[in-house]
Amino acid sequence: KQEVTQIPAALSVPEGENLVLNCSFTDSAIYNLQWFRQDPGKGLTSLLLIQSSQREQTSGRLNASLDKSSGRSTLYIAASQPGDSATYLCASLSGGYNKLIFGAGTRLAVHP
Amino acid sequence: DGGITQSPKYLFRKEGQNVTLSCEQNLNHDAMYWYRQDPGQGLRLIYYSQIVNDFQKGDIAEGYSVSREKKESFPLTVTSAQKNPTAFYLCASSLNYQETQYFGPGTRLLVL
Repeated sequence: KQEVTQIPAALSVPEGENLVLNCSFTDSAIYNLQWFRQDPGKGLTSLLLIQSSQREQTSGRLNASLDKSSGRSTLYIAASQPGDSATYLCASLSGGYNKLIFGAGTRLAVHP
Repeated sequence: DGGITQSPKYLFRKEGQNVTLSCEQNLNHDAMYWYRQDPGQGLRLIYYSQIVNDFQKGDIAEGYSVSREKKESFPLTVTSAQKNPTAFYLCASSLNYQETQYFGPGTRLLVL
């Protein structure tokens, strides 16, 4: 059974720092790995999707990497801003490739 | 405006009562999903549907029921058999099960 873990659970950084959020998964037979952002009391917004055949995806200041052999994905945020404050969740498409398995998320606070 | 909507934003349930959460999408997506989110936890899959008139149980289907009579609608009923229904409920849709999921704004269910 796939399990997805995110470390750290919470992170507080000053504005301008580059930071890395970690996601690990137990079953390397994934179809894709997705990163989402969730603001308090809101739904999820898709940030990046990495197919199992890819190593990384980039969107603006965000870069996500995938290493299936080690069961890890990282989300890199460059030059963090207060507007980046949110919870970031990763999810793997597993279980016969028909459902997402979510981590518990990393709660990020970027202070001015 | 294309998107996915959920109503109501807040819902209160009395003891022994069934309540229905609405989810509508105009993205022409085939697949739709219902998730439950508890504080500090990731999302857990309740039910999903890959096509009209078909749906499958997720990881925590007990005490819930769904229908998929129209492509754009996937209502979730929380029955009286669900003994701990207080949670944040999120609906999502995707073109198919392999593609990015798009989320609605969520419904917060509280028990009176």
